[in-house]
Amino acid sequence: RKEVEQDPGPFNVPEGATVAFNCTYSNSASQSFFWYRQDCRKEPKLLMSVYSSGNEDGRFTAQLNRASQYISLLIRDSKLSDSATYLCVVLKNQGGKLIFGQGTELSVKP
Amino acid sequence: AAGVIQSPRHLIKEKRETATLKCYPIPRHDTVYWYQQGPGQDPQFLISFYEKMQSDKGSIPDRFSAQQFSDYHSELNMSSLELGDSALYFCASSFAGTGRNTGELFFGEGSRLTVL
Repeated sequence: RKEVEQDPGPFNVPEGATVAFNCTYSNSASQSFFWYRQDCRKEPKLLMSVYSSGNEDGRFTAQLNRASQYISLLIRDSKLSDSATYLCVVLKNQGGKLIFGQGTELSVKP
Repeated sequence: AAGVIQSPRHLIKEKRETATLKCYPIPRHDTVYWYQQGPGQDPQFLISFYEKMQSDKGSIPDRFSAQQFSDYHSELNMSSLELGDSALYFCASSFAGTGRNTGELFFGEGSRLTVL
């Protein structure tokens, strides 16, 4: 079992749709959580950090449930430019490495 | 702003050959990470260095080695290349000087290795 597991993709949605991605992690000692975005054949880039209290950045909302070891990302009013692979990422300990989920591909269609 | 620089961007090798990938982190970043991403796969952690010392090790094959030099650049050396080594190799850097890794890694554009 992978340490970080995500919804299988791809997600094909029309512009303006709301889409949610889910992620679970197996190591309860994990400290920090993130969503990264990766465009085709490009490097991953940090989208947002995920906090227990939940956090929002424009159309993007991230939630963390430590008890269930569950992370989510909600994208509202999808844009064509949101098409990418979204990677759920866990930091096991400060100064340590990031563990990536397998990614969920999102395709937003006109 | 300066980003993480990787070279070469593309590399084609034959089986059993060797290859060296280079990574120049963002100035003042003290931690370098190497990740391997196969086609359709998530990035797999290989190895990391903090202040020129190996800080963590992941699924790096014994045929691979890496080091971080005094100027903080890092090199990933791969020997006895196999077809399965064909992948995109990312280097990432961060600043952990305060003892707290915020989790924001800055990735280079990657080096694409093709083994024939």
